[in-house]
Amino acid sequence: SQKIEQNSEALNIQEGKTATLTCNYTNYSPAYLQWYRQDPGRGPVFLLLIRENEKEKRKERLKVTFDTTLKQSLFHITASQPADSATYLCALRSNDYKLSFGAGTTVTVRA
Amino acid sequence: DTAVSQTPKYLVTQMGNDKSIKCEQNLGHDTMYWYKQDSKKFLKIMFSYNNKELIINETVPNRFSPKSPDKAHLNLHINSLELGDSAVYFCASSQQGGINSPLHFGNGTRLTVT
Repeated sequence: SQKIEQNSEALNIQEGKTATLTCNYTNYSPAYLQWYRQDPGRGPVFLLLIRENEKEKRKERLKVTFDTTLKQSLFHITASQPADSATYLCALRSNDYKLSFGAGTTVTVRA
Repeated sequence: DTAVSQTPKYLVTQMGNDKSIKCEQNLGHDTMYWYKQDSKKFLKIMFSYNNKELIINETVPNRFSPKSPDKAHLNLHINSLELGDSAVYFCASSQQGGINSPLHFGNGTRLTVT
């Protein structure tokens, strides 16, 4: 069966450090992988999309890598700030266009 | 302007009742979705419509019936509500349902069935 696993439910880090989140998948052959941010009481908000032929993508302090051999994406928040505290979700589309989400990793950045 | 808006934000009702959740998007997108987020925060797709046509219908009890009067609206009607239906329901939209199109979500409807 298809699975998307985000390796930790919660990540607590000190302000200024880099947070690294992992997304592993099985039985998908995605051409794209997406990352979203979800704040309490709000819907997920799209952050970044990375294509299978892109090793790395950056947006401001965010960096995403995509390794189709390892079937893994890493999501980095550099120089983290308390405002980065949220749940981060990775998402993949299957061949029938369904966008499926991992369970998310909740990041808490301590001042 | 809110891009994807859902009403109501909170819905508390008793078992056995019938209720509806409404969703509207002003992004001009062709595809709309309903997702369910359970108590473990896991987001699961329920339905998807493209230009008013149902294209994804996951294994959902037939007590749940989506309706799309036009491509800017996707409503969800739930009959004979059960305790297990308690969750947050999210509406979303995307451009043409393409394989790389990001989803734009509403802020959810928290349904509590007592």
